[in-house]
Amino acid sequence: DQQVKQNSPSLSVQEGRISILNCDYTNSMFDYFLWYKKYPAEGPTFLISISSIKDKNEDGRFTVFLNKSAKHLSLHIVPSQPGDSAVYFCAASAGGAGSYQLTFGKGTKLSVIP
Amino acid sequence: GAVVSQHPSRVICKSGTSVKIECRSLDFQATTMFWYRQFPKKSLMLMATSNEGSKATYEQGVEKDKFLINHASLTLSTLTVTSAHPEDSSFYICSARMGDRNIQYFGAGTRLSVL
Repeated sequence: DQQVKQNSPSLSVQEGRISILNCDYTNSMFDYFLWYKKYPAEGPTFLISISSIKDKNEDGRFTVFLNKSAKHLSLHIVPSQPGDSAVYFCAASAGGAGSYQLTFGKGTKLSVIP
Repeated sequence: GAVVSQHPSRVICKSGTSVKIECRSLDFQATTMFWYRQFPKKSLMLMATSNEGSKATYEQGVEKDKFLINHASLTLSTLTVTSAHPEDSSFYICSARMGDRNIQYFGAGTRLSVL
């Protein structure tokens, strides 16, 4: 049973445009969400996170939106740059329960076309 | 940002041998470290959670006698794949949690190929 779902395996966006990566979750105990970026043969790099008490968090070109009622979050990258081309993983944790384990989605491969 | 170093980045070994992978937090103390395995085109699969000075907690289906984890200090955890077989070939990634923040910082991963 996949608790974190990224239904789009890939996404192509023109340079300068907005990239929107989506993530859905099923576990209502999740209260902290993270986005990671991963290049081939490298470990994931932390991008941005959001707590369930917020609905938006912004850091430079990256903004994460959380819709708790829909159990949905999204990562917006604007403007998109060729260097943003990578696999993006959504992750969630139920940290309030004392566990810091992360549950990952399968990832979305973003290609930014120059 | 927090830096996690993982070594080696790639290892090729013969079937039946053991391989040790090191994970170090370079600029912070990690009370908890995690070991993941990634299959091609799949998500990261948590293998075990390692706390300094105590036994690791393994996820269901992960053989603790095969994947030995030692977390000897607040900056070092090791994963030893014992008696490796070709089906153990995979990409292994460690991560470390810094302080009370619920963010994990990842190493660069180790590509293990068992012949």
